[in-house]
Amino acid sequence: AQSVTQLDSQVPVFEEAPVELRCNYSSSVSVYLFWYVQYPNQGLQLLLKYLSGSTLVESINGFEAEFNKSQTSFHLRKPSVHISDTAEYFCAVSVGTGNQFYFGTGTSLTVIP
Amino acid sequence: EAQVTQNPRYLITVTGKKLTVTCSQNMNHEYMSWYRQDPGLGLRQIYYSMNVEVTDKGDVPEGYKVSRKEKRNFPLILESPSPNQTSLYFCATRVTGYIGYGYTFGSGTRLTVV
Repeated sequence: AQSVTQLDSQVPVFEEAPVELRCNYSSSVSVYLFWYVQYPNQGLQLLLKYLSGSTLVESINGFEAEFNKSQTSFHLRKPSVHISDTAEYFCAVSVGTGNQFYFGTGTSLTVIP
Repeated sequence: EAQVTQNPRYLITVTGKKLTVTCSQNMNHEYMSWYRQDPGLGLRQIYYSMNVEVTDKGDVPEGYKVSRKEKRNFPLILESPSPNQTSLYFCATRVTGYIGYGYTFGSGTRLTVV
């Protein structure tokens, strides 16, 4: 079975500092990769995704993630975080026809004023 | 507006008392799924449905039932809830056949079983 590893369960960072949230997956076959964000007391929202093509994908609010096939990683980065970025972030992987998604355990990002 | 609606948002119940959490979507998605979210464990899939009358077990199906009689509805049934089913539950839907759209999630149901 597929596994998704988010090594950091909690990441505190000061406002306007850069941040990287790490995600590694186990499959060596074709995968689709996603980052979801969960704000307090809300459901998950799609932040960005990699399906094919350019290995660097971006979201509308300044996050980006890079697909690295050799390292089986899809780390999420933002050069300067804002208070409003405080949330739980989940990496997810789907393989092949994608009947199932596999989620990581989540990383809680706390932005400190 | 495209949405997935779960009810109730919050529920406290006692052990053994049957309950149903409803999920309804207005996007005509074939695929619907239930997840539970627990601290340190992330999201784990309970059941999913590829279409009407087609359901299958996810990773943690024990203690749960589902039905898919209509395309828009996918209720989660706990016949005899136990305290270890205290969790945050999410319904999620997506288009079958093209993974690129990803999931649309409901707002969640926080269940406490005492």
